[in-house]
Amino acid sequence: GAGVSQSPRYKVAKRGQDVALRCDPISGHVSLFWYQQALGQGPEFLTYFQNEAQLDKSGLPSDRFFAERPEGSVSTLKIQRTQQEDSAVYLCASSLAAGMNTEAFFGQGTRLTVV
Amino acid sequence: GENVEQHPSTLSVQEGDSAVIKCTYSDSASNYFPWYKQELGKGPQLIIDIRSNVGEKKDQRIAVTLNKTAKHFSLHITETQPEDSAVYFCAAILFGNEKLTFGTGTRLTIIP
Repeated sequence: GAGVSQSPRYKVAKRGQDVALRCDPISGHVSLFWYQQALGQGPEFLTYFQNEAQLDKSGLPSDRFFAERPEGSVSTLKIQRTQQEDSAVYLCASSLAAGMNTEAFFGQGTRLTVV
Repeated sequence: GENVEQHPSTLSVQEGDSAVIKCTYSDSASNYFPWYKQELGKGPQLIIDIRSNVGEKKDQRIAVTLNKTAKHFSLHITETQPEDSAVYFCAAILFGNEKLTFGTGTRLTIIP
């Protein structure tokens, strides 16, 4: 596709359930980012990949959050034992190059609701 | 780390008038300042950006100004149109870093 694709668009999880969110970046994009956006707030950084290497995971809120990008393309954000405070929109973004502050293209996000 | 403050949180403007949104940042090492527009149910979309070696940048009806001394930057939209209604976010990136630090957003409403 032409843009960043995220799936599912919506996810409802029962508290304690594990979830996996998928991101398909723009083909050839080196950098991939995950952000968390709470209702009415700006996106907050979670983690950053350069190809398959996870270079920054300082924004992951707890060890229940895990992200991977094993082949340097598709990425998965996994949340274990979900809690109500995990309810948010999870945004994925990709950019063509690294270290050059190039434009980041965002997907539409996955809205996670934990009940 | 970097901290970005944005105001106002809401802004209503008559169609055809101008809108201004202001942001301040805390870390003088920040060197890249993008502005994003987010429509309901969509991801943020870059509308304009500015780097720290430039004081002003313009793209048709949209302009951004940067004051490095005061550590603030502003978005200016002229001749506003109904399709400009959205939430706008400013952001900053520290030199040598990759992650965006976003402001809290401004909900802009254009009144026909």
